[in-house]
Amino acid sequence: DTAVSQTPKYLVTQMGNDKSIKCEQNLGHDTMYWYKQDSKKFLKIMFSYNNKELIINETVPNRFSPKSPDKAHLNLHINSLELGDSAVYFCASSQDLRGYVNTEAFFGQGTRLTVV
Amino acid sequence: RKEVEQDPGPFNVPEGATVAFNCTYSNSASQSFFWYRQDCRKEPKLLMSVYSSGNEDGRFTAQLNRASQYISLLIRDSKLSDSATYLCVVNSAKGNTGKLIFGQGTTLQVKP
Repeated sequence: DTAVSQTPKYLVTQMGNDKSIKCEQNLGHDTMYWYKQDSKKFLKIMFSYNNKELIINETVPNRFSPKSPDKAHLNLHINSLELGDSAVYFCASSQDLRGYVNTEAFFGQGTRLTVV
Repeated sequence: RKEVEQDPGPFNVPEGATVAFNCTYSNSASQSFFWYRQDCRKEPKLLMSVYSSGNEDGRFTAQLNRASQYISLLIRDSKLSDSATYLCVVNSAKGNTGKLIFGQGTTLQVKP
């Protein structure tokens, strides 16, 4: 059983297209995240949701829109894709970081997005 | 200045060597600290949490110095399977939110 699963694993698309990445966790966690890992391997947080509520939005272009239909799902929709959006996008989940000091974050396997 | 800074390496060491990685963080209000491991083309996974008193898990020892805002990871008796990127991670609390801030990672290559 995969704890955090995201699909698709690979995504190749043309500039200007709109695409979505889906994420689901079966750990019963309250908090889910999207991270972006660029070509320099830097993992940067994009969004954080707690119980379907957006709590962190890190200066991400509004072409990126997260949607959380319930606390087990956090999808990422990207409009008008640009070359610079090429990266690996990781979904993750954890207990609420505000309440659990040493909580562990569990990551999905990543979605490798290539914009051509 | 980055919130969490690490030397990206790479560190190339022979099997059996002892290797140490360092990390500094800028937010003195940070609450918790971790080392994650990321294998090539895989997701990050928790290696160990880091406590003020220092903690050990087998060949791995983590230390935290809050006064200097410094975290370290020591790997003894390196194995080929230790080759990976090691990410220093800080739970950086701001207001009523917590978020995990990742360092750039330090790449370790253990050679036979």
